[in-house]
This record gives sequence, structure tokens and C-alpha cells, in this order.
Amino acid sequence: AQSVTQPDIHITVSEGASLELRCNYSYGATPYLFWYVQSPGQGLQLLLKYFSGDTLVQGIKGFEAEFKRSQSSFNLRKPSVHWSDAAEYFCAVGAANAGNMLTFGGGTRLMVKP
Amino acid sequence: KAGVTQTPRYLIKTRGQQVTLSCSPISGHRSVSWYQQTPGQGLQFLFEYFSETQRNKGNFPGRFSGRQFSNSRSEMNVSTLELGDSALYLCASSSGTGGADTQYFGPGTRLTVL
Repeated sequence: AQSVTQPDIHITVSEGASLELRCNYSYGATPYLFWYVQSPGQGLQLLLKYFSGDTLVQGIKGFEAEFKRSQSSFNLRKPSVHWSDAAEYFCAVGAANAGNMLTFGGGTRLMVKP
Repeated sequence: KAGVTQTPRYLIKTRGQQVTLSCSPISGHRSVSWYQQTPGQGLQFLFEYFSETQRNKGNFPGRFSGRQFSNSRSEMNVSTLELGDSALYLCASSSGTGGADTQYFGPGTRLTVL
């Protein structure tokens, strides 16, 4: 069975600073990997996904993530954080033989200091 | 295109009652998945329906059930409610090809069990 770990429960960064959110997954084959963002009281919005090809994936809102098979990681990055990026971020893994079932990490809550 | 809609948005029930939540997917989408989100357990997969058939099921008791109609709308039902069922219930729709599908989430139904 697949699993996802997001080691950082909370992260605080200053506006304009760079950001990296960590995600480690466990899955035997090539995983499908996703990053979602959730603002308070809202559903989840997809930032980006990886399923094959180029290991550096570009997403919406200036986010990118890099798939590193050797480290079982899929870290999310942004070069310059905006106050509106404050939210909770979830990494998720899917599998080719599991339909649309996603396994989510515990989430990282991002706070942005002015 | 209209997004995923969930009704009702908020619900208060008492222990022992049952509840039905509804999800209308994006037009043309044939897969609907349901997730439970709680502070303690995070986001957990409940089940997925595709073309009116349950395709995947998470590790939840039989009190949790669902169905999908021919127009792809889905309902989930929780019988004999327990305090621990208080959660945000999210549904997500996708085209249904599986795995690397992009899933679009609704805003959720906040269920409070008293």
C-alpha cells in the first residue's frame, strides 16, 4: 500500500522568501504524485501533478515540484512567496491499479509573515 | 464549466441518526470519489464510483455507503452516526480514466454530530 509523509506540520516564511515543502512517498512502482492546496473553509485545488516524463513539473501560481525517485520525494517549491499563499498544502499519491484513489499526506500549514 | 457542487454545505445531526450527502460532478465526468477530512486522521479515502459502480473502497465501516446515479451524481450515506463522524466530507470528480486523472474537489459538507 502506498503512503505519504509530509514531515513539516507548520512552516512560516517571510513574504518574498523562497519556499520548499517536503513530501516523501512509499510506493513500489512509479507513482502518480500530486500537490493540492486548501484555503480555510474550501475544498482542495490542484497545484501540479507528476505521472511520467520530465521530473521537474510546473504548476499554477508559480509553484514547481521535482520528482526524485532515488529519494522517494516530491518536494514543492516556489521562488518568492506571496501573502496569498498562506494555506494548507497536501501531497498525495495515486496508483495505476487503484482507480482515482488518492493517499494524502498529513498536510503542511504555511504561514506568511509580512 | 460549473465546478463540483456539494449539498448541503453544513449539517448538524445527533448520534444515532443517519445522513445523506450529495455531490454533483463536473459535466462529463464519470468518476466521483469521497474523502473524509478530520484534524486527527487527515484526509482519508472513502470510496470511488465510476459509471454507477463502486470501483474502490477505503477502510471505513459498513455504516458508510454510497451510490452513483446514471447522470454521475453521487450520494453518500452514513447510518447510526457517531461523534467521531464529525468531519468535512469532500467529493472529487474526474473523467475516470484513473491513476493520473486530475481530480476536482468540491467545497465539502461540514458534518457535526452532537
